[in-house]
Amino acid sequence: GEDVEQSLFLSVREGDSSVINCTYTDSSSTYLYWYKQEPGAGLQLLTYIFSNMDMKQDQRLTVLLNKKDKHLSLRIADTQTGDSAIYFCAEGSNDYKLSFGAGTTVTVRA
Amino acid sequence: GAVVSQHPSRVICKSGTSVKIECRSLDFQATTMFWYRQFPKQSLMLMATSNEGSKATYEQGVEKDKFLINHASLTLSTLTVTSAHPEDSSFYICSATAGFDEQFFGPGTRLTVL
Repeated sequence: GEDVEQSLFLSVREGDSSVINCTYTDSSSTYLYWYKQEPGAGLQLLTYIFSNMDMKQDQRLTVLLNKKDKHLSLRIADTQTGDSAIYFCAEGSNDYKLSFGAGTTVTVRA
Repeated sequence: GAVVSQHPSRVICKSGTSVKIECRSLDFQATTMFWYRQFPKQSLMLMATSNEGSKATYEQGVEKDKFLINHASLTLSTLTVTSAHPEDSSFYICSATAGFDEQFFGPGTRLTVL
């Protein structure tokens, strides 16, 4: 499968911004996704971006895509304790298959 | 958004027995369903792709005789772990798509094989 890499851990203070980074290798990716997983639960789609876009903003979430460098980031503004979770980036193409990164565990401290 | 359910949410079984996990799309017809396996603190690994009415397509390294997948209708896919062993203990997650951009994920099934 294709490689999707992301840092494993991020600790952030409540109220600060969180930035989670991801790199991928498949240049034919059509969509790039960010999912959130809380303990013992399935995945919740947070946002996604088409590969021909540079940025997408959705309330507290901002996704930046650098297609040349195959770099994706997710910024969470005003991070709250409820944002503590594992965040997965994933890349997909037209066959609907997704390749996931290993997940970034975000810990929000008071 | 669309809802995907899984049943059971947790199952404990003895080594050598078979376990069936159901994945249902509750409010849409899923042309394709996917089965993933997730080990603790690791990513989701795609096991197989299931299309309604046809045989599942398994990823490399996944034993099709051990992980039986049936996609009998547009709202139901089942994964049967046959002759389960402790190394099969894992978190199994399904997802479903109606052929649009988004896959909708189930809440997962925690399988523990004693």
